[in-house]
Amino acid sequence: QKEVEQDPGPLSVPEGAIVSLNCTYSNSAFQYFMWYRQYSRKGPELLMYTYSSGNKEDGRFTAQVDKSSKYISLFIRDSQPSDSATYLCAMSMNSGGYQKVTFGTGTKLQVIP
Amino acid sequence: DAGVTQSPTHLIKTRGQHVTLRCSPISGHKSVSWYQQVLGQGPQFIFQYYEKEERGRGNFPDRFSARQFPNYSSELNVNALLLGDSALYLCASSWSQNGGYTFGSGTRLTVV
Repeated sequence: QKEVEQDPGPLSVPEGAIVSLNCTYSNSAFQYFMWYRQYSRKGPELLMYTYSSGNKEDGRFTAQVDKSSKYISLFIRDSQPSDSATYLCAMSMNSGGYQKVTFGTGTKLQVIP
Repeated sequence: DAGVTQSPTHLIKTRGQHVTLRCSPISGHKSVSWYQQVLGQGPQFIFQYYEKEERGRGNFPDRFSARQFPNYSSELNVNALLLGDSALYLCASSWSQNGGYTFGSGTRLTVV
């Protein structure tokens, strides 16, 4: 079993839809939770960075962490064609003095105008 | 402000050759990490350096090595290249070791 599981998609939605992206994890030692957006042929771009369970909002993006269920989500409201990208969840834990970051495989999102 | 810069952007190497990839972190960032991303997969952790010391190493063979210089820039070296080393190599920097990394655009390595 992988430490971090993420549905690879692809996920196709109409413009203006609410998008829900999810990841589950198995290691309760994970402390920090992140969402990255990656456009084709580019490096990942950090969207959200959270530590505790609960919700964190930034504009059209909301990150949700449920540590008891080992489940994290990213919601995108009023999705735009420019949101079309691959979304990577990532989580980190202390491993011998550094934060070891583990990524999901990424979900490819397409927002159709 | 300049982001994380990586060079070269693309390169093609032959099996058995050696390659050096370079990374300049964001000014003020002392932590640099290297990741390998194979097409269709998430980035896989290779190394983390903080204050010029190796702080973490992923599950990669000894053919992979890295170092961080006094100005916090970094090099990733791969010896005896294999076809399976073909991937996007990403460098990320952060002001601390606690994640929240900013990534560069990567170096796309093709081994033929």
